[in-house]
Amino acid sequence: AQKVTQAQTEISVVEKEDVTLDCVYETRDTTYYLFWYKQPPSGELVFLIRRNSFDEQNEISGRYSWNFQKSTSSFNFTITASQVVDSAVYFCALSGSGYALNFGKGTSLLVTP
Amino acid sequence: DAGITQSPRHKVTETGTPVTLRCHQTENHRYMYWYRQDPGHGLRLIHYSYGVKDTDKGEVSDGYSVSRSKTEDFLLTLESATSSQTSVYFCAISEWQVMNTGELFFGEGSRLTVL
Repeated sequence: AQKVTQAQTEISVVEKEDVTLDCVYETRDTTYYLFWYKQPPSGELVFLIRRNSFDEQNEISGRYSWNFQKSTSSFNFTITASQVVDSAVYFCALSGSGYALNFGKGTSLLVTP
Repeated sequence: DAGITQSPRHKVTETGTPVTLRCHQTENHRYMYWYRQDPGHGLRLIHYSYGVKDTDKGEVSDGYSVSRSKTEDFLLTLESATSSQTSVYFCAISEWQVMNTGELFFGEGSRLTVL
């Protein structure tokens, strides 16, 4: 069975602080993909990143970075110098041998000025 | 943006009435999904389709049925709505099977309230 755990339900930071969103996953598949999606207050779901199980290289995209560690089954997401526009719910998701993505419960990030 | 349209976007109905939500795509993607989003539960898969007339259940399929008679349309039906089905419903599509890097593209969501 697959499972994604986002232990942080809500996080509140002040603008310009760095923040890390945790994601821990469980799977028996040897080949799988991990994803992060962003859901801003407007409600739409926006794809941020996909990482396959064979690529443990960290990735950086502007102020966003992702740290994938198979040894700890984690795929954490860091926002550097957070901005108010980063306020959203962030979902981590896992795919494997099935047809669909399994999502975590999400972490609500509030960035205040 | 992926061409996904959900209708209706908002609906209020009464317990026991049937409800159908429609997802229409213009991307000709093979895979389509219905998720529901509830506070404290994140996104949970209701049903998915891997081709015309090919559908399967997700983790929260009880009380829901789906149909896909055309590539572009995926219908979600609540035969007899209950208050526990009050939720925001998201349709998603993907070109490839998710295990083969298929990114999901989501519709804007349909907010259903069952009184």
